[in-house]
Amino acid sequence: EAGVTQFPSHSVIEKGQTVTLRCDPISGHDNLYWYRRVMGKEIKFLLHFVKESKQDESGMPNNRFLAERTGGTYSTLKVQPAELEDSGVYFCASSQRPGATALFFGSGTQLSVL
Amino acid sequence: GDSVTQMEGPVTLSEEAFLTINCTYTATGYPSLFWYVQYPGEGLQLLLKATKADDKGSNKGFEATYRKETTSFHLEKGSVQVSDSAVYFCALSESGGYNKLIFGAGTRLAVHP
Repeated sequence: EAGVTQFPSHSVIEKGQTVTLRCDPISGHDNLYWYRRVMGKEIKFLLHFVKESKQDESGMPNNRFLAERTGGTYSTLKVQPAELEDSGVYFCASSQRPGATALFFGSGTQLSVL
Repeated sequence: GDSVTQMEGPVTLSEEAFLTINCTYTATGYPSLFWYVQYPGEGLQLLLKATKADDKGSNKGFEATYRKETTSFHLEKGSVQVSDSAVYFCALSESGGYNKLIFGAGTRLAVHP
């Protein structure tokens, strides 16, 4: 069974450009989460989808970030326009049930904004 | 709000040395506690967990005990191997929460032969 897949694995863009990150959860997992780790600090929650609906988006830093999960399958996270402080590693995770012990993470996307 | 504090790294050890990575937390209610590990080039993996006070989580020779009186969940291993080199994250999940994990900053462990 395939795990959580994220791409690209690395992205280097200039300030002001747009970047779209993609996450493919494990098949059948209704719950999908985005987290990010900035500057080697703690990993912070961004948002949580249940199927195609946003259950909790309290961690989204500002309106330059837009997450979608059309059809309840894969999800995209768009940053437009990107700023220097957006650099970091963006992790996606999925689970079949809400219990945290069943949370599976992807390898992350390393985003560098120059 | 809830938070997790873990010791800064990097931690550098020789093979077979004893490992302790400290983790303390601040939370209301009764959170679940976790240790995640990220090996080079891979995603986060759940290493162990504890869901209530005095529970001991264990996996792959690693152990951590949920200490409510000291609000701690320190990670220990009696004899580390080179393959244990990774970044370790302590985390908590609020009771009744939908997997909204709160992580510490991570501790990088480097084990040398």
